[in-house]
Amino acid sequence: DQQVKQNSPSLSVQEGRISILNCDYTNSMFDYFLWYKKYPAEGPTFLISISSIKDKNEDGRFTVFLNKSAKHLSLHIVPSQPGDSAVYFCAASVSGNTPLVFGKGTRLSVIA
Amino acid sequence: EAGVAQSPRYKIIEKRQSVAFWCNPISGHATLYWYQQILGQGPKLLIQFQNNGVVDDSQLPKDRFSAERLKGVDSTLKIQPAKLEDSAVYLCASSPLRLAGGQTNTGELFFGEGSRLTVL
Repeated sequence: DQQVKQNSPSLSVQEGRISILNCDYTNSMFDYFLWYKKYPAEGPTFLISISSIKDKNEDGRFTVFLNKSAKHLSLHIVPSQPGDSAVYFCAASVSGNTPLVFGKGTRLSVIA
Repeated sequence: EAGVAQSPRYKIIEKRQSVAFWCNPISGHATLYWYQQILGQGPKLLIQFQNNGVVDDSQLPKDRFSAERLKGVDSTLKIQPAKLEDSAVYLCASSPLRLAGGQTNTGELFFGEGSRLTVL
């Protein structure tokens, strides 16, 4: 039973446009949500997070939106750059220091 | 600051053989995790340590997998005997209890590059 779902395995976007990656979750106890980025042959690296008490968190080109009633979050990348091409994992946890539960990932390709 | 170190990076074995992976976390990080990432899937937790104690090993297949973190620093994950379905990348991650500035860690993990296992 997948508690964190990323239903789009892949996404292609033109350079300069907006990339929107989506994530749904089923466990209402989750209160921290994170996005990780992974390049081939490397470990995932933390990108941005959001607490359940917020509905938006912004860091440069990256913004995460959280809709608790819909149990949905999204990552917006504006403007998209070729270096953003990677696999993006959505993850969630119940309070800090508990294990993260990951989605299956979405492969983003930014085309120049 | 040195990152999470893992070895070996790649390992190919035949089924029923054994294999061990090593992880050295970031200095000072109390919590250490082993995740298994099968191709096309997200990382799945195998075991979580805090210092040298096990916090969560509910998803570790204990009939064939074992892990230890004896001195609360580096850790070893062992598989014996290996099965074909164990082919995966084994990711080690560590995290501090608190972030710089003193705020509670909200779940940010620092991952190593992973150890890719192929079982033939």
